[in-house]
Amino acid sequence: AQTVTQSQPEMSVQEAETVTLSCTYDTSESDYYLFWYKQPPSRQMILVIRQEAYKQQNATENRFSVNFQKAAKSFSLKISDSQLGDAAMYFCAYRWNRDDKIIFGKGTRLHILP
Amino acid sequence: DVKVTQSSRYLVKRTGEKVFLECVQDMDHENMFWYRQDPGLGLRLIYFSYDVKMKEKGDIPEGYSVSREKKERFSLILESASTNQTSMYLCASNWDRGDNEQFFGPGTRLTVL
Repeated sequence: AQTVTQSQPEMSVQEAETVTLSCTYDTSESDYYLFWYKQPPSRQMILVIRQEAYKQQNATENRFSVNFQKAAKSFSLKISDSQLGDAAMYFCAYRWNRDDKIIFGKGTRLHILP
Repeated sequence: DVKVTQSSRYLVKRTGEKVFLECVQDMDHENMFWYRQDPGLGLRLIYFSYDVKMKEKGDIPEGYSVSREKKERFSLILESASTNQTSMYLCASNWDRGDNEQFFGPGTRLTVL
């Protein structure tokens, strides 16, 4: 069965600094998607970034980028120039291309220190 | 913009009551999902639906049922609420194609006394 593991329940970073959130996953499939979702204190979950497994190039969205290591089954999120609005719970997620369901990790709560 | 709405942000019910949580999406999505979110456990899938009147159990369906009579609406039903069903409930939806990004509602915080 596929699993997603986020080993850091909580992290803190100084405003304007860079932080990396870790995620590992386990699957025997080769065609899948990986996601990072953000859930701010207001609770509306939004997609931050996505990665298609067949693409070697790491995805980037403005200050957010990923380090996708397919062989190691690792998918970390890097947030550059951290801002107060980045404070949230971050969920790593996996979806096999032939399944509608997404498997979520348990989340990492990120605190931004002013 | 995709919009997923949930009928209540906060709900307080008593043990044994029948509870309905409603979710509506306005983007003609085929798939709809119900999750519950608990601290330290992340999001766990209760049920999902891939078409009208079609449903499939998720990881924790016990104590819940669902209804999807119209494409835009997906209801979660607690037949007889219990205190261990106190939780945050999140609804999501997506298209049945492409990268299947899920769009989430704001959540319903349910407290069962």
